[in-house]
Amino acid sequence: NAGVTQTPKFRILKIGQSMTLQCAQDMNHNYMYWYRQDPGMGLKLIYYSVGAGITDKGEVPNGYNVSRSTTEDFPLRLELAAPSQTSVYFCASSYGGGMNMNTEAFFGQGTRLTVV
Amino acid sequence: DAKTTQPNSMESNEEEPVHLPCNHSTISGTDYIHWYRQLPSQGPEYVIHGLTSNVNNRMASLAIAEDRKSSTLILHRATLRDAAVYYCILRDDPGYSSASKIIFGSGTRLSIRP
Repeated sequence: NAGVTQTPKFRILKIGQSMTLQCAQDMNHNYMYWYRQDPGMGLKLIYYSVGAGITDKGEVPNGYNVSRSTTEDFPLRLELAAPSQTSVYFCASSYGGGMNMNTEAFFGQGTRLTVV
Repeated sequence: DAKTTQPNSMESNEEEPVHLPCNHSTISGTDYIHWYRQLPSQGPEYVIHGLTSNVNNRMASLAIAEDRKSSTLILHRATLRDAAVYYCILRDDPGYSSASKIIFGSGTRLSIRP
């Protein structure tokens, strides 16, 4: 299994440009998440999804949009990129099942984004 | 969401046990205690989780206080590869909608001396 795959691994954007960070998982997980991690800091939740067609805001959603049309994919869209969005972005997935199910989250390797 | 408190940093010697504490005094009865770690330049990885009883797996042990207001992650024999940031996280019973969020705190940066 590939687990959680993020593309691209690195990207440089100019201010005002837009892009989509791709995230795909092959574990049939219903929950998926997007985080950003600024240098030397912890992870902040941007958006999450509990299943196809259902998304919700996390701690820092401004400047981002998401969609979840399939179980496997959870793309993160940046519109009008700003220098404050320079960060490492992590996607994660987990199973959200019954009380005794293993709900560990699996993370991708991250996308390092620089906005100049 | 219930919060966790961890020391900013800890140091330990290689091949010695490490005890990483976490305080969660406002934990609710349905909160599971999860630990993740993040190695340098990598995404976080799951370490262990538990509800009330102590738990062991191949990576670590989790000791949970009887009142559940604190827990300790135990690495039995630290190696240089265990140098990472360790996060203690509370996750609600998966049957509740709030369980969908995984909120990270600032974690404990563990350094291992050779």
